[in-house]
Amino acid sequence: GAGVSQTPSNKVTEKGKYVELRCDPISGHTALYWYRQSLGQGPEFLIYFQGTGAADDSGLPNDRFFAVRPEGSVSTLKIQRTERGDSAVYLCASSLKGQGFSNEQFFGPGTRLTVL
Amino acid sequence: AQSVAQPEDQVNVAEGNPLTVKCTYSVSGNPYLFWYVQYPNRGLQFLLKYITGDNLVKGSYGFEAEFNKSQTSFHLKKPSALVSDSALYFCAVSPNTGGFKTIFGAGTRLFVKA
Repeated sequence: GAGVSQTPSNKVTEKGKYVELRCDPISGHTALYWYRQSLGQGPEFLIYFQGTGAADDSGLPNDRFFAVRPEGSVSTLKIQRTERGDSAVYLCASSLKGQGFSNEQFFGPGTRLTVL
Repeated sequence: AQSVAQPEDQVNVAEGNPLTVKCTYSVSGNPYLFWYVQYPNRGLQFLLKYITGDNLVKGSYGFEAEFNKSQTSFHLKKPSALVSDSALYFCAVSPNTGGFKTIFGAGTRLFVKA
């Protein structure tokens, strides 16, 4: 079956511009996560959705970052006034909602964001 | 602060030899523990998890991991390494109470030499 998809696969933008990154989770997965992965590091948690609501956005670095999931499926990560430090691979993952967070996450291929 | 440590940036092993990739964690309560693998140009893939019960858990591709509560460790093991096991391995911890953040280690690159 189809896995998690992310678009675009690569995004190059200029400092100060606005970008949107899209994630299509696996059908039926109610839990959705966004992560940021810098070179040589593990994924860094940004935000978690359960259904349409952001249950935990404690990982968003500042108010330039925002994410939505209006219908409980597709999610969009939005970054305003991009900075060179935002350059990274942005990963999306989805999972079934189980007891606690015992279910494994299924990751998309990521969007590589480069801010010039 | 909650954290996950993978003390080795790289592990080198000869094909056919046993391998161990180390992971220790500092997280309150009794978290869930995971290993993921990242092959070149591919997304992170789930390998195995510890939820409760037997301290030795078995996963995909012949991998297993041993949970040690007293040492707060969850080391990944395989009895006989394959060249195709060469990849980047991540240990991760998820809470079972309070909070939703999954914490990943920095990763360990496994290189298996033929």
